[in-house]
This record gives sequence, C-alpha cells and structure tokens, in this order.
Amino acid sequence: DVKVTQSSRYLVKRTGEKVFLECVQDMDHENMFWYRQDPGLGLRLIYFSYDVKMKEKGDIPEGYSVSREKKERFSLILESASTNQTSMYLCASSSRGGRTETQYFGPGTRLLVL
Amino acid sequence: AQSVTQLDSHVSVSEGTPVLLRCNYSSSYSPSLFWYVQHPNKGLQLLLKYTSAATLVKGINGFEAEFKKSETSFHLTKPSAHMSDAAEYFCVVSDRAEAGNNRKLIWGLGTSLAVNP
Repeated sequence: DVKVTQSSRYLVKRTGEKVFLECVQDMDHENMFWYRQDPGLGLRLIYFSYDVKMKEKGDIPEGYSVSREKKERFSLILESASTNQTSMYLCASSSRGGRTETQYFGPGTRLLVL
Repeated sequence: AQSVTQLDSHVSVSEGTPVLLRCNYSSSYSPSLFWYVQHPNKGLQLLLKYTSAATLVKGINGFEAEFKKSETSFHLTKPSAHMSDAAEYFCVVSDRAEAGNNRKLIWGLGTSLAVNP
C-alpha cells in the first residue's frame, strides 16, 4: 500500500520561529509536492521537486523554502513563521511519466502560528 | 491557461438519493481530469481519473464521471448516496508543465457534500 507520511499532524509555533515540516514517501516516486489548503481557496502549490536536489517554485513560494536531499524525503521550511502561514499543509508524491500520474497525499499538518 | 470550476461549493442530499457534483474545465490541450475526495481529518484520496481513454470513468465507492468535451464538463455522480460519502470533493485538471518531467495540477475550490439521514 502506498504511503506518504508527514512528521506532525498538528503544530503550534510562534511568529518568527523557523519551522520544519517533513514528508516521507515509500513509493520510490520521483516527484514530490508541498501544498497549502485554506478554506475557500482550495489547494495551492508552494513548491515541487522532480528529483533529488531539484526544486521548482509553485504558485505561492514566498516565505517558504524546501529541501530534498534524499529521494524519499521532502522538507518544507518556513524561515520566519508569520500568522498568515497558519494553514493546513499537504505533501504529495507521484511517479515521473507525463500528465496522467496520480498524486498520493499525506494526512496533512495543521500549523497554527501565534 | 488551464482552469477548473466547481459550480457548487456545497451540496446537500438525502441518504439513498443521487449525487451530482458539477465541474467545468478549460484547457488548451487534451486534458487529464481527476476527482479527489477528502474525508474529515483524512488525507486526499484519488476517486477516479480520465486520461483520454473511455469517456465514462468508474471510480471507487460507486462514483463515476463522464468526460464531455463539447460541454467541457467532468461531472461526478453516484446513484445512491451513503452517509460515508460526506466529504470534500475536488475536481482537478492536469497542466502541461513548461519544462521537465514534472506536472502541475490545477485544483478546483472544492465541493462540500453533506448527506442527511
């Protein structure tokens, strides 16, 4: 069974803190993604990676960075957390191969920045 | 540019009655289309996908969707709703990335389905 895990289900941080969200997949997928999900806004892509050490900006990369040192692990970093980064963060992975591959999602991390 | 519109933000049905969740898309290319479901406090799960094969696509839990190119629609249906169908549903269209093997998905804003006893 495919599996994407995220390091925390719930996280509370203070403004200005550095925040690390980690995602691990066990499917040997090349592609990994970070989204944030907000009510009324759907899912918005923050960053994605199509190979180790490769990354590309998504639609809303400001205030975030990512790291992919190993194929199975993709980290999202909030360098200095702000209250407008309070959100649900979803990690996903997919295999390489064109437009039709399915993305598999982790359970999400609900982040509250105070 | 590709886009996707879910025509209803909330749908409420009675248990045992049909479900219809509407989705329209725009695409310059031949699209791939998906429906994902998100149950409360659970991750997103693929319900079904259309990839230019049969236009009527069957998914899990009795759901199906029909690709209608002339109407640019990909509506999700189920003949008889079950209480466990209550969830958020997302219609998604694929986007041909400009470079590389990566692929971005264009997400609808979601439809919240309530099922009443």
